[in-house]
Amino acid sequence: DTAVSQTPKYLVTQMGNDKSIKCEQNLGHDTMYWYKQDSKKFLKIMFSYNNKELIINETVPNRFSPKSPDKAHLNLHINSLELGDSAVYFCASRGSNTEAFFGQGTRLTVV
Amino acid sequence: DQQVKQNSPSLSVQEGRISILNCDYTNSMFDYFLWYKKYPAEGPTFLISISSIKDKNEDGRFTVFLNKSAKHLSLHIVPSQPGDSAVYFCAASAWSSASKIIFGSGTRLSIRP
Repeated sequence: DTAVSQTPKYLVTQMGNDKSIKCEQNLGHDTMYWYKQDSKKFLKIMFSYNNKELIINETVPNRFSPKSPDKAHLNLHINSLELGDSAVYFCASRGSNTEAFFGQGTRLTVV
Repeated sequence: DQQVKQNSPSLSVQEGRISILNCDYTNSMFDYFLWYKKYPAEGPTFLISISSIKDKNEDGRFTVFLNKSAKHLSLHIVPSQPGDSAVYFCAASAWSSASKIIFGSGTRLSIRP
């Protein structure tokens, strides 16, 4: 039973399109994150939500809009996709004073 | 501005020997440090952590050492096994579940027979 699951695993789309990536965790954690791994393999935090509230936004373009309908879900919606958005996006969750658990990643390719 | 640095992009170690991966950080507000292991096409998997009140934490073949004065931590794997070949990320956070976790750039460890 997967702890943090994100869908889809692969996403290929054209420039200018709008797409969403879904994330769900069944660990009962209060905090969820979105990370981006770029072509240089850096893992950079994008957003952090705690109990459905946005607490960290790392100067991500406002084309990226996270949405947390409940504590177990943090979805990422991206408008007007650009070539530079191509990357692997990871969702993660974290409980009280513990490590973060990551999903398997979504490889987004914008053509 | 990288707050967590892994200066060795790759490391090759013979099977059975000790692997030592190093990490430096700059932010003195960090008080919780983690190591993650990542295989291709998978998400990072938690390996071991250490809080700033300790200088060593051991879990089986894995030991993490923390030198707060030098702002340096290291991961020791002994003995190294073929399945240890992966990318290892060092990460740091403040002691709060709501704090962001900052990652280093990773070190690719290859275990050769």
